Amino acid sequence: KQEVTQIPAALSVPEGENLVLNCSFTDSAIYNLQWFRQDPGKGLTSLLLIQSSQREQTSGRLNASLDKSSGRSTLYIAASQPGDSATYLCAVYTGGFKTIFGAGTRLFVKA
Amino acid sequence: EAGVAQSPRYKIIEKRQSVAFWCNPISGHATLYWYQQILGQGPKLLIQFQNNGVVDDSQLPKDRFSAERLKGVDSTLKIQPAKLEDSAVYLCASGTGFQETQYFGPGTRLLVL
Repeated sequence: KQEVTQIPAALSVPEGENLVLNCSFTDSAIYNLQWFRQDPGKGLTSLLLIQSSQREQTSGRLNASLDKSSGRSTLYIAASQPGDSATYLCAVYTGGFKTIFGAGTRLFVKA
Repeated sequence: EAGVAQSPRYKIIEKRQSVAFWCNPISGHATLYWYQQILGQGPKLLIQFQNNGVVDDSQLPKDRFSAERLKGVDSTLKIQPAKLEDSAVYLCASGTGFQETQYFGPGTRLLVL
């Protein structure tokens, strides 16, 4: 059974710091991995989608990497800003049409 | 381009009552998903559709939950009767295909008293 874990559960950093969020999954047989952002009381916003054949994706200050063999993905945020404060969720899409989410990392960027 | 629409945004009911949620996906999106997100947890997939057919509903509590997607566009999710543990945010998402980006609506926050 596929399980997705995100560590740390919460993170507080000063503005301007570069940071890495981690996502691990137990079964490497995935089709893709997606990173989302969730603001309080809101739905999810897609940040990056990495297909299983890809190693990384970049969008602005965000870079996501995928290592299927080790069951790990990282989301790198450069030069963090207070507006980056949110919960970041990763989700894997597996065989059998399953999308499985981690519990998320709550990020707080201090001005 | 309009995003995924959901209504109502908030709902408070008493246990054993029934409730229905509505979702209008992005125009042209074939896949539609319903998720349940309990406070402090990631979303849990309940059911997914491809056009108007159910692809997977293995995590849908079928004794009390039902969902349909008529004409392959709008979808409704119903709970009857509701239990206290159904208190959660119900999220709808849509996409162009199973391995493509999922776009989420704002969710419906349900409180069962």
